[in-house]
Amino acid sequence: DTEVTQTPKHLVMGMTNKKSLKCEQHMGHRAMYWYKQKAKKPPELMFVYSYEKLSINESVPSRFSPECPNSSLLNLHLHALQPEDSALYLCASSQEGTGAIYGYTFGSGTRLTVV
Amino acid sequence: AQKITQTQPGMFVQEKEAVTLDCTYDTSDPSYGLFWYKQPSSGEMIFLIYQGSYDQQNATEGRYSLNFQKARKSANLVISASQLGDSAMYFCAMRERRFAGGTSYGKLTFGQGTILTVHP
Repeated sequence: DTEVTQTPKHLVMGMTNKKSLKCEQHMGHRAMYWYKQKAKKPPELMFVYSYEKLSINESVPSRFSPECPNSSLLNLHLHALQPEDSALYLCASSQEGTGAIYGYTFGSGTRLTVV
Repeated sequence: AQKITQTQPGMFVQEKEAVTLDCTYDTSDPSYGLFWYKQPSSGEMIFLIYQGSYDQQNATEGRYSLNFQKARKSANLVISASQLGDSAMYFCAMRERRFAGGTSYGKLTFGQGTILTVHP
């Protein structure tokens, strides 16, 4: 299995809703990432999990809450979002820890619309 | 300071022609990786080609080749024999290894992207 699977593919939520995005990989990758991408812009790093521990939080507002329950699964919990949070949310994973430079495998993303 | 620069917001090419998408980068790390990704309107980020900083030869993957000029810090993507399906956004990205909390991870920084349109 060489894929990163993201669900749902599309999500519309109100500003008072609570929802979660899910990301799963079975490649044995030990680093997982959340990116946010606005239309016609490059992806921006939000969070990095390395060996199931949160390594990096790129000053993301607390209404985004990541969770890594195990080495294969990464969640992004959403609460009280704003319309400007509407974007494509990409999950990625990479192999780490052996001293080499590895690439990322990206999921197909979740298109989030906040109304 | 911007680490990855793509100076071509949009490029047009005729079908079956070759096209070069420019990318320059800036880093002080001796070990890094350079990537090109294709992103169609569906949003999926598709890996195209990789060049390691220590690789002596330019990377090639089918119709894609990477023109790596280390001294100039450039990593241009060449697409040969363009096809209509090549129309998409193309991102150049650089991966540097970072350490936090006793573990390592790769920080991937993207350029602004180039929208490629292939005309029939």
